[in-house]
Amino acid sequence: NAGVTQTPKFQVLKTGQSMTLQCAQDMNHNSMYWYRQDPGMGLRLIYYSASEGTTDKGEVPNGYNVSRLNKREFSLRLESAAPSQTSVYFCASRKGFRNTEAFFGQGTRLTVV
Amino acid sequence: SQKIEQNSEALNIQEGKTATLTCNYTNYSPAYLQWYRQDPGRGPVFLLLIRENEKEKRKERLKVTFDTTLKQSLFHITASQPADSATYLCALDIREQAGTALIFGKGTTLSVSS
Repeated sequence: NAGVTQTPKFQVLKTGQSMTLQCAQDMNHNSMYWYRQDPGMGLRLIYYSASEGTTDKGEVPNGYNVSRLNKREFSLRLESAAPSQTSVYFCASRKGFRNTEAFFGQGTRLTVV
Repeated sequence: SQKIEQNSEALNIQEGKTATLTCNYTNYSPAYLQWYRQDPGRGPVFLLLIRENEKEKRKERLKVTFDTTLKQSLFHITASQPADSATYLCALDIREQAGTALIFGKGTTLSVSS
């Protein structure tokens, strides 16, 4: 019963470094999402993929890129990390693109120093 | 701009009382609205989904209403317990060209004291 798996769980980066956050789901879901969560700001959508082969920007896409590698995997890349990207990142997936519940991973806590 | 507002950041109630949380939205006409629960250090967990043609939906001690005229949803927890203490998030499906994005309000943190 893995559900949505994110790696890593914790990461510390230096300003300017790059990294990729990985997300995989084993529920055969079509849609996948990346959010960031900051105190007082709630969950904000970074990018999403409505289906394999498509991606689109969410509310706060600047500084990020994504890849929908296949139906299972959706990665988030920070090309040049900045302290403002210190946050908790959540990946989510759901079966359809409307009226279906989203399943979330356990989150990645990223600190950029 | 499009916006989802949850009326308060924090709500404190006593055990056994009914908690009522509010979600308001502007500039949308969503067909569905969802509520999630989030515990500290964990990802959100789905609770309920309500459709625009459903005025009310219940699940055990939870009740959600959806008023598309007022652009508001109310989330009720009856006979609240300390274990209900968590952050509750409302979410809307927003139709975009590439697909449907699921966006969230900032959440309301509920504390139930015994």
